[in-house]
Amino acid sequence: NAGVMQNPRHLVRRRGQEARLRCSPMKGHSHVYWYRQLPEEGLKFMVYLQKENIIDESGMPKERFSAEFPKEGPSILRIQQVVRGDSAAYFCASSLSGLMMNTEAFFGQGTRLTVV
Amino acid sequence: SQQGEEDPQALSIQEGENATMNCSYKTSINNLQWYRQNSGRGLVHLILIRSNEREKHSGRLRVTLDTSKKSSSLLITASRAADTASYFCATDFQGAQKLVFGQGTRLTINP
Repeated sequence: NAGVMQNPRHLVRRRGQEARLRCSPMKGHSHVYWYRQLPEEGLKFMVYLQKENIIDESGMPKERFSAEFPKEGPSILRIQQVVRGDSAAYFCASSLSGLMMNTEAFFGQGTRLTVV
Repeated sequence: SQQGEEDPQALSIQEGENATMNCSYKTSINNLQWYRQNSGRGLVHLILIRSNEREKHSGRLRVTLDTSKKSSSLLITASRAADTASYFCATDFQGAQKLVFGQGTRLTINP
């Protein structure tokens, strides 16, 4: 049973380009969470999705950032018109059910985005 | 503001010694989870402890939870060089369906 898969592992974008980060949850998991981590810091929640639904996007910047989790395929975190401040590690986690059901959340290896 | 805050921020001990890290949080929770992160890598899930549990073990790891003090501790016994990593606690925030992380404790095990 493969774990949470994220790709690419490393992504370099020039300012103004778009970045697309992909996350395939663990098999059978329908709950996906995206986090951002700056160097030497903890993880900051961005968005929580279930299949075809955004449940909580309270951590998402209002502009340029969007996320989806379609019925088929991976979850996508999309950053438009990237700026240097977007450089960070982006982690995806998945869980079998909602966290209120006392279920573990498992993380992928992350995508390290560098904006040059 | 941070829901979970780890203490200390950094800890350096000799191989074979025990390492204790603490986590405090502010609101009621359903569960608390501990993770390990090696430098430049993803997070590895260590233990989930429910709000009605007081202690949990997994190998050399022991986690305690005191809901009256809103705190948890992670004890690593007989530390090894491979335990060198950052350790994070994460809680569900006021019953919301997301994990909120602290800043982590950077643990260094010296050979």
